[in-house]
Amino acid sequence: AQKVTQAQTEISVVEKEDVTLDCVYETRDTTYYLFWYKQPPSGELVFLIRRNSFDEQNEISGRYSWNFQKSTSSFNFTITASQVVDSAVYFCALSEEKTSYDKVIFGPGTSLSVIP
Amino acid sequence: NAGVTQTPKFRVLKTGQSMTLLCAQDMNHEYMYWYRQDPGMGLRLIHYSVGEGTTAKGEVPDGYNVSRLKKQNFLLGLESAAPSQTSVYFCASSYRGPPTGDQPQHFGDGTRLSIL
Repeated sequence: AQKVTQAQTEISVVEKEDVTLDCVYETRDTTYYLFWYKQPPSGELVFLIRRNSFDEQNEISGRYSWNFQKSTSSFNFTITASQVVDSAVYFCALSEEKTSYDKVIFGPGTSLSVIP
Repeated sequence: NAGVTQTPKFRVLKTGQSMTLLCAQDMNHEYMYWYRQDPGMGLRLIHYSVGEGTTAKGEVPDGYNVSRLKKQNFLLGLESAAPSQTSVYFCASSYRGPPTGDQPQHFGDGTRLSIL
């Protein structure tokens, strides 16, 4: 069973629209970390945010915000007033205490296209 | 600061040929990882290392071998390349994960490998 699910394979929005990327994870650990990474068309992977399982506070960084809900095992990512530069593939990832955090499991990614 | 450097960036092989991908990091990171990225599959962990002289299997280790003789280098070998190994390969490194497990991974730019 996939541990990290990103059900949206591709999303297209018009510039300045808000968009939410979904991430649902599966773990039996009580202690774990969640991450979001961005992969722009140039191909490199860029770290965006990490969140531990004991911190359910939502976080906002500029136009980016993250909504962590343990009750639904979700860690969703919202981009407000999207811009063309936001076009990229976004990956959600999970690391678990039971594997000593050695392995980071990535979701399949969501490809976001922001149309001018 | 070079970060994580992968060589080569592109390579075309014939079925049955062997080759080694090199990953070098200059951040004194303990952990290093090799992933492959295929369309719709996200990043899948091939092998990883938690320190010099150690290696461990990830999700998809078959057909690959690795070595970590020096802390800064992590080599990925294909002994007999197969078309199914056509992929983009990413190397990553991070500070020692435990006990907090919250260290983000730093990625190289990727190696695009085609097996004919």
